[in-house]
Amino acid sequence: AQTVTQSQPEMSVQEAETVTLSCTYDTSESDYYLFWYKQPPSRQMILVIRQEAYKQQNATENRFSVNFQKAAKSFSLKISDSQLGDAAMYFCAYRQGAQKLVFGQGTRLTINP
Amino acid sequence: GAGVSQSPSNKVTEKGKDVELRCDPISGHTALYWYRQSLGQGLEFLIYFQGNSAPDKSGLPSDRFSAERTGGSVSTLTIQRTQQEDSAVYLCASSSPQGGANTGELFFGEGSRLTVL
Repeated sequence: AQTVTQSQPEMSVQEAETVTLSCTYDTSESDYYLFWYKQPPSRQMILVIRQEAYKQQNATENRFSVNFQKAAKSFSLKISDSQLGDAAMYFCAYRQGAQKLVFGQGTRLTINP
Repeated sequence: GAGVSQSPSNKVTEKGKDVELRCDPISGHTALYWYRQSLGQGLEFLIYFQGNSAPDKSGLPSDRFSAERTGGSVSTLTIQRTQQEDSAVYLCASSSPQGGANTGELFFGEGSRLTVL
């Protein structure tokens, strides 16, 4: 079964600085999706960024980028120029085909002003 | 609708009562998922629908939990004889059919918070 591991239960960063959240996963498949979702206190899960496994180029979305290492099964999220609104729980997730999303346990990110 | 809609937003019930939670997915989304999130925890998969059938219901924790989907749209998650350990936020998500513009993304509702006293 696929598993997703986030080894950092909590992280904090100074406003305007850069922070990296770690994620590793385990799968025997070659074609899949990886995601980072953000969950603020409002409970709404919001997609931050997605990566398709067959694409070698790392995905970027404005201040958010990933470091996708397929062979190492690693998928870290880098947030540049951190803003107070980035404070939330961040979940790494894996999906293969139409199957369910498998989530990591989450990393709580605090932004210090 | 524009997004995934869940009701009720909050539900407080007494131990032993039955509850129904409703999910209205994004129009045209064929896949629908239920997850459970206990306080401060990650998301636990419960069940997945493709159309009206459930190819994967491996996450339902006991036979007190059931779900159905009718007309390929609205889904209801039912918890019978609720227990205190059922207290959690129940999240619903939907996704578009595979292929074409599908990006693999799941779109989530805001969840139903269930408190069992």
